[in-house]
Parts: sequence; C-alpha cells; structure tokens
Amino acid sequence: QKEVEQNSGPLSVPEGAIASLNCTYSDRGSQSFFWYRQYSGKSPELIMSIYSNGDKEDGRFTAQLNKASQYVSLLIRDSQPSDSATYLCAVKGEGGKLIFGQGTELSVKP
Amino acid sequence: DAGITQSPRHKVTETGTPVTLRCHQTENHRYMYWYRQDPGHGLRLIHYSYGVKDTDKGEVSDGYSVSRSKTEDFLLTLESATSSQTSVYFCAISPQVNSGNTIYFGEGSWLTVV
Repeated sequence: QKEVEQNSGPLSVPEGAIASLNCTYSDRGSQSFFWYRQYSGKSPELIMSIYSNGDKEDGRFTAQLNKASQYVSLLIRDSQPSDSATYLCAVKGEGGKLIFGQGTELSVKP
Repeated sequence: DAGITQSPRHKVTETGTPVTLRCHQTENHRYMYWYRQDPGHGLRLIHYSYGVKDTDKGEVSDGYSVSRSKTEDFLLTLESATSSQTSVYFCAISPQVNSGNTIYFGEGSWLTVV
C-alpha cells in the first residue's frame, strides 16, 4: 500500500461547480497535511495546510481532515478554468519529509 | 516566491557521464531537499539535508549523492547518469520541521539522459 494515495483522474468539472479532491494516508501518526497545486511544466505551489480534524477554509478552497479515517480532502468552490492543474496531497513524515501522492489532474471546462 | 534557484534548468547528457545539479537558497533555511518527479510516481524524495554537512537518504537515493558545504547550497550528483534518471528534479527548502512550517519548491531542473 502506498503511503499517500490519490485518484490520478482526470477529474472533469464544469465551470462554477465544486471540485472535490481526495487523499488517504497510511501513517496513523501523521500530524501535518498539505495540498499543492502544480501547473504543467511548473513547480508545486502550496495552497492549503491543515493540522487539526475538521474543515479549514481559505477563499474558494476548503481542506477537510479526518484523522480517524486517515482521509484528507480539498474542495474548490466556484471552479474556474484557471484551477485546471494537478493537485498534490502531501503528508509530513519523519524528519519533516513530505510524502506525496501521485496527484489528481483537475480539468475545469468553460 | 521563496528564494530558491536551481541550475541548470535544462540539461541533456549522455549515459555514463557525471552530472551535478545545484540548488541555491537565499532564505537561510536549515532544511533542504531534492525530489524527482516522474509520470505515475508523483514526487519522490531522493536526499535531504538538515544542516551543513548533515544529509540523509530518501526513498529513491540509489545512484545519487549530495553535499552541503554551505547553508545556502545543496548539490545533487549523479555519479554515472543512466536513462532511468531522466526526470524533473525539484529542490525544496524549509526553515524547520515542526507542523507550522511547510516546504517550498524551486522551479525545477529538467534532465534528459540519452
């Protein structure tokens, strides 16, 4: 079992819809979770971090964490074509190392 | 943007030749990382450093070595490049490893081994 798992997609949503991206992780002791966005040919950029169970909102983005289920998700409200990218889930492991899922490709159609 | 510069940004090299990628930071961050990114595998950690002359292996360290003689520079060396090392290499930095600090990435180095 991979340490961090995401559906590779592509996930296609219409403009204005809610995009839901999901991630599961295997290390029950993990405490820090991150979502990165990566445009084609570019480096990953941090969009959300979450450390406690529940929801964390930042503009159109909401991260959700459920440690009991070892599940973290990212919701993007009012999706825009500019949100089309690959979204990477990352979990902080031993020594501060980030362990990444393989990423979910999101396509927002006008 | 985090002050991270990778060089070279693009390189084509022949199998069997040594290659060194450089990561330079202006943030004075303690932690530095090298990741590679390949289709279907996501980002995988090669090596990381937690201080000058302090380095450790990641999950895909075979065929790679690193050095950190100054806080600001972290070098990744492929001693004898192979085609399987064709990839995009990202350097990343972090001030600390506790929960409140995350990792920021450089712009990447595209390496092709022919």
